[in-house]
Amino acid sequence: AQKITQTQPGMFVQEKEAVTLDCTYDTSDPSYGLFWYKQPSSGEMIFLIYQGSYDQQNATEGRYSLNFQKARKSANLVISASQLGDSAMYFCAMSLFKGAQKLVFGQGTRLTINP
Amino acid sequence: KAGVTQTPRYLIKTRGQQVTLSCSPISGHRSVSWYQQTPGQGLQFLFEYFSETQRNKGNFPGRFSGRQFSNSRSEMNVSTLELGDSALYLCASSLETLGEIAGELFFGEGSRLTVL
Repeated sequence: AQKITQTQPGMFVQEKEAVTLDCTYDTSDPSYGLFWYKQPSSGEMIFLIYQGSYDQQNATEGRYSLNFQKARKSANLVISASQLGDSAMYFCAMSLFKGAQKLVFGQGTRLTINP
Repeated sequence: KAGVTQTPRYLIKTRGQQVTLSCSPISGHRSVSWYQQTPGQGLQFLFEYFSETQRNKGNFPGRFSGRQFSNSRSEMNVSTLELGDSALYLCASSLETLGEIAGELFFGEGSRLTVL
């Protein structure tokens, strides 16, 4: 069965610093997708970035990049130049291509940006 | 373009009652999935519907059920509520056709259920 592990329950970072949120995954399926979502206090899950298992390059979306290390089964999220509005819960998730819209989520990391 | 809309946003029920939650996906999205979020168990997949058919189901008891209508709107129902059912229930929709890989899920703000 697939599993996502986020080992950082909470992180505190100074504004404008870069931050890396850790995510490791476990699956025996060669085809999978990795996602990062942000959840502010309102509850809505906001999509940040996606990486496919066959993608050769690391995904990037504005200030977000995904450090994909397939051999280590890690998919860390890097936020450059953090902003106060980045304070939220961050979830790493995985889907199997055959599993369509079923996502397996990690436990999340609460990120707090200090001014 | 309107996002995923979930109603009601907040509700309080007592043990033994039942509840129905509604989800309107983004226009044109045919896949709707539901997740339960609790502090202890985190985010867990409940079920997914595509073209009015349940395509995947998570590991939840039969008290949890759902359906999807021809306009892609979806409802989930929880019968005989238990205290442990208190959670944020999130609905997500996606523009995905049968057999294709998982795409970006667009989530609603959730329905927060409190069971007393």
